Amino acid sequence: EVQLVESGGGVVRPGGSLRLSCAASGFTFAGYGMTWVRQAPGKGLEWVSGINWNGGSTGYADSVKGRFTISRDNAKNSLYLQMNSLRAEDTALYHCARAGYDFWSVPLGPWGQGTLVTVSS
Amino acid sequence: QTVVTQEPSLSVSPGGTVTLTCGLRSGSVSTSYYPSWYQQTPGQAPRTLIYSTNTRSSGVPDRFSGSILGNKAALTITGAQADDESDYYCVLYMGSGISVFGGGTKLTVL
Repeated sequence: EVQLVESGGGVVRPGGSLRLSCAASGFTFAGYGMTWVRQAPGKGLEWVSGINWNGGSTGYADSVKGRFTISRDNAKNSLYLQMNSLRAEDTALYHCARAGYDFWSVPLGPWGQGTLVTVSS
Repeated sequence: QTVVTQEPSLSVSPGGTVTLTCGLRSGSVSTSYYPSWYQQTPGQAPRTLIYSTNTRSSGVPDRFSGSILGNKAALTITGAQADDESDYYCVLYMGSGISVFGGGTKLTVL
């Protein structure tokens, strides 16, 4: 069974940092791009970041560029999102989702259930 | 700032047909934008319905179909059922590794 499980969320003060992880299983992780998508409470989906199969290409939404860094470890079947200089508006449920090989910034699924990040003083 | 537009809300009668659209505030949507569609019910993770304009994800019934209609991407639900009542989102690929979601459409089946 293909499965994605996020972890690493929590409560952090404005200006703080968090590192999210996404553990993948049930498929050849190195054969796919991966994405992070977030959803603020009561709001819609927002694409955050994407990474190609080997980590050589990445993309970021303007809202997080320069503050967030996406990475992956194919040996560990894991995706990461390093989040620095966090702001209140980064409060959201963060999902990882499998993407394609070519269009590696487009979530194709499956999706993880998400990990909640709350930025509050 | 790229803005992807969707109808905020739509309604359909059980058994009816409804079309949701996904456009750009500036410009036309084509297959090059690799339009994809997602369904989300409250408290659940999104589910991918359609990718690359009109390819159904595994397990998605064929009453969901994707297309380009005029200058927008479209998701058509034929023979709507009660459990189709959900939020629907589209995403467009903007190039350079960037994708953008639309604001979502809340579909009511009544």
